Amino acid sequence: DARVTQTPRDKVTEMGQEVTMRCQPILGHNTVFWYRQTMMQGLELLAYFRNRAPLDDSGMPKDRFSAEMPDATLATLKIQPSEPRDSAVYFCASGLATSGDRNEQFFGPGTRLTVL
Amino acid sequence: AQSVTQPDIHITVSEGASLELRCNYSYGATPYLFWYVQSPGQGLQLLLKYFSGDTLVQGIKGFEAEFKRSQSSFNLRKPSVHWSDAAEYFCAVGGTTSGTYKYIFGTGTRLKVLA
Repeated sequence: DARVTQTPRDKVTEMGQEVTMRCQPILGHNTVFWYRQTMMQGLELLAYFRNRAPLDDSGMPKDRFSAEMPDATLATLKIQPSEPRDSAVYFCASGLATSGDRNEQFFGPGTRLTVL
Repeated sequence: AQSVTQPDIHITVSEGASLELRCNYSYGATPYLFWYVQSPGQGLQLLLKYFSGDTLVQGIKGFEAEFKRSQSSFNLRKPSVHWSDAAEYFCAVGGTTSGTYKYIFGTGTRLKVLA
């Protein structure tokens, strides 16, 4: 049963610390998405990749957030320095983009981040 | 502007009652439409999707949705709700423009089921 995995599942850190969240997309998928979910803002798209190339990161605060795909099996989202307002659940999703653009997204379980 | 509206933030139904969750979209091209469910502490799970063809689509867990182009709607229905259906439901629209892979999500509808 292929699934998107995310680590860690929970992270508590102090303001100013660096946070790295990892995502392993489903094998063979070529698109990866990072979302942030909060009570106030709901589900926000932060960034997404196709074939490891960033296509859109306009939803991401550029000064402190960065997203990368070192290889096809790993996507990372880094926050440096972290702030209390970054507290949220971060979801990774992957999909297989075809020529028809029917990109169904499969979500991971999320990383719950708390910045004190 | 492209958008997805879920007018109901909260809905409460009794177990065994029928359910309809509303979703309206604004999209400049042919939309691909999705419904996801999120149980507490979990990720989003795909319930069903519409790409083309029959406008009534069947999904998992006994859910169905009907695409109505004239009303720009994609409402989710279930004839008899179970207590385990209590969750948050998200409607999303995806792109048909080549190279656009991202979804636009609605704000979600939280479903409460009374025993």
